Amino acid sequence: GQQVMQIPQYQHVQEGEDFTTYCNSSTTLSNIQWYKQRPGGHPVFLIQLVKSGEVKKQKRLTFQFGEAKKNSSLHITATQTTDVGTYFCAPGGAGNMLTFGGGTRLMVKP
Amino acid sequence: NAGVTQTPKFQVLKTGQSMTLQCAQDMNHEYMSWYRQDPGMGLRLIHYSVGAGITDQGEVPNGYNVSRSTTEDFPLRLLSAAPSQTSVYFCASSYGAPTNTGELFFGEGSRLTVL
Repeated sequence: GQQVMQIPQYQHVQEGEDFTTYCNSSTTLSNIQWYKQRPGGHPVFLIQLVKSGEVKKQKRLTFQFGEAKKNSSLHITATQTTDVGTYFCAPGGAGNMLTFGGGTRLMVKP
Repeated sequence: NAGVTQTPKFQVLKTGQSMTLQCAQDMNHEYMSWYRQDPGMGLRLIHYSVGAGITDQGEVPNGYNVSRSTTEDFPLRLLSAAPSQTSVYFCASSYGAPTNTGELFFGEGSRLTVL
């Protein structure tokens, strides 16, 4: 199946600091989705990126799809304690199903 | 709408026992899938279905069976539970192919422990 590396695996930040997680693939991706999972919760859809070089924003969150469609990133500006959770990238795989990266766990110190 | 409903939320089994995790969605979604989540491993696809009567294997199908007799329900059966199946299981659904029309809707998860 589609293999993606998501880095870092963990990130501690002070509230107000910025945070970025990266999703890297060795092959070209048709599209990619991002999900957030709060501690003890279930994954919740954030966004889907389809076009090369695409940039989408949701308030303090900025999502990018690389020009070569082999990588993607999620950047959070001025983190808040409500941003705590694990962020997963999910590229398309076999059978039009999603495969998930290992996730980046974000911890925010108030 | 209730969305995606999973039962039970928690279950403890002994090795060799069988059980079924239930999943139901009321959104008339065609696609349904089962993932397992282990620490540090992300979510791995077990089985999925593109519509009633159609199922297919995902990345880690061994030890699990599924069926899709109705659009709403997609149960996951463990035939002979093993400690390696200790995990959190998530059922998910989507209106169309997840890679085409967008988001997966997840249930709240079922935490399974096999002793």
